[in-house]
Amino acid sequence: EIVMTQSPATLSVSPGERATLSCRASQSVNSNLAWYQHKPGQAPRLLISGASTRAAGTPARFSGSGSGTEFTLTISSLQSEDFAIYYCQQYDSWPTFGQGTKVEIK
Amino acid sequence: EVQLAESGGGLVQPGGSLRLSCEVSGFTVSSNYMSWVRQAPGKGLEWVSIIYSSGNTNYADSVKGRFTISRHSSKNTLYLQMNSLRVEDTAVYHCARDHSSGWYDYWGQGTLVTVSS
Repeated sequence: EIVMTQSPATLSVSPGERATLSCRASQSVNSNLAWYQHKPGQAPRLLISGASTRAAGTPARFSGSGSGTEFTLTISSLQSEDFAIYYCQQYDSWPTFGQGTKVEIK
Repeated sequence: EVQLAESGGGLVQPGGSLRLSCEVSGFTVSSNYMSWVRQAPGKGLEWVSIIYSSGNTNYADSVKGRFTISRHSSKNTLYLQMNSLRVEDTAVYHCARDHSSGWYDYWGQGTLVTVSS
């Protein structure tokens, strides 16, 4: 099983600031990585697939980068609706998810 | 508009059974890969099971032999039959459409399953 490790566990950011979230895979997943946004009581929302391809409806302030074992999700200027938990998921083999990064208001 | 709505969760004793349903509108369940993904309290997301458009299925090792995924074409509904439930199966269970490349582009809000005596 490929283990996905996200850091930090919690990120405190002020609205308008940049947020950088990291995701590391225990072995290479090539570019087979997705990012999701999850708010409590709601359905998770796909943001990015293929490590860097924004899903339909994902605002341009969200960008993904990386390949192999190191990945980054960047939110260029945090809006109020962006405070949530973010998960990475690899699909190079049987799908596994990271433990999540909670982005909270500073 | 695409909508996925789970139901069937609840409180069950260890060793008991539950059947979860996921009613889908906006696309055809039987033409897509569909998965169940769960989230235990305080934990991350965990893939549970998949049913392919062919009807073939697969399961996480943690539920193999105890859970069965299925679908009903005319009802456009996905199911998860859960038997021999364990305390560690306590989680919110989400149904999701698998893009077939491996990511999930549509999700439901989830239904809570609590296994406790």
